[in-house]
Amino acid sequence: LAKTTQPISMDSYEGQEVNITCSHNNIATNDYITWYQQFPSQGPRFIIQGYKTKVTNEVASLFIPADRKSSTLSLPRVSLSDTAVYYCLVGDITGSARQLTFGSGTQLTVLP
Amino acid sequence: ETGVTQSPTHLIKTRGQQVTLRCSSQSGHNTVSWYQQALGQGPQFIFQYYREEENGRGNFPPRFSGLQFPNYSSELNVNALELDDSALYLCASSYTGSGANVLTFGAGSRLTVL
Repeated sequence: LAKTTQPISMDSYEGQEVNITCSHNNIATNDYITWYQQFPSQGPRFIIQGYKTKVTNEVASLFIPADRKSSTLSLPRVSLSDTAVYYCLVGDITGSARQLTFGSGTQLTVLP
Repeated sequence: ETGVTQSPTHLIKTRGQQVTLRCSSQSGHNTVSWYQQALGQGPQFIFQYYREEENGRGNFPPRFSGLQFPNYSSELNVNALELDDSALYLCASSYTGSGANVLTFGAGSRLTVL
């Protein structure tokens, strides 16, 4: 069962770049790393997904080193509306079953 | 394209009772998973259903059970409710393909056990 570790909280100012790192030592060979954003009283929302190296979409970038034991979510030029909890999700296949493990989450607070 | 809808949004039960929570998957998705999220914690995986069969389970006792129907909607049943079962229950649907886990979540059902 893949365990993940993230910082509990981070503060940033509007317009800055924010990098959140997740450690996942037991990631399985065929699994992807996915990041989600969650606002209070809402379900998590997909941000970005990757397998290795770097992935970029319109809202974020994801950096994954060659050993895949960690990943870094990069949010460029954050705004107040980016204040939320960010989760790292690593799919783990155990035998024939699939277990999905969320990290503990990182509370990002963007200050004016 | 409709998203994931869950019902009820809020409910209150007493210890020992049973509860059923419902989830309608996003159009085109064939897999549904359920999560328990206690206040201030990350979502904890309960189980996943694919083709109407459970194909993954987290560390939850057997009194947590589920169903997936032919239209890919799903139910989560919890028997013999305990105070610690108070939480936000999240349903997520996805398309099982190459192993990528892109989940679409509903807004959740908040259960309070008194």
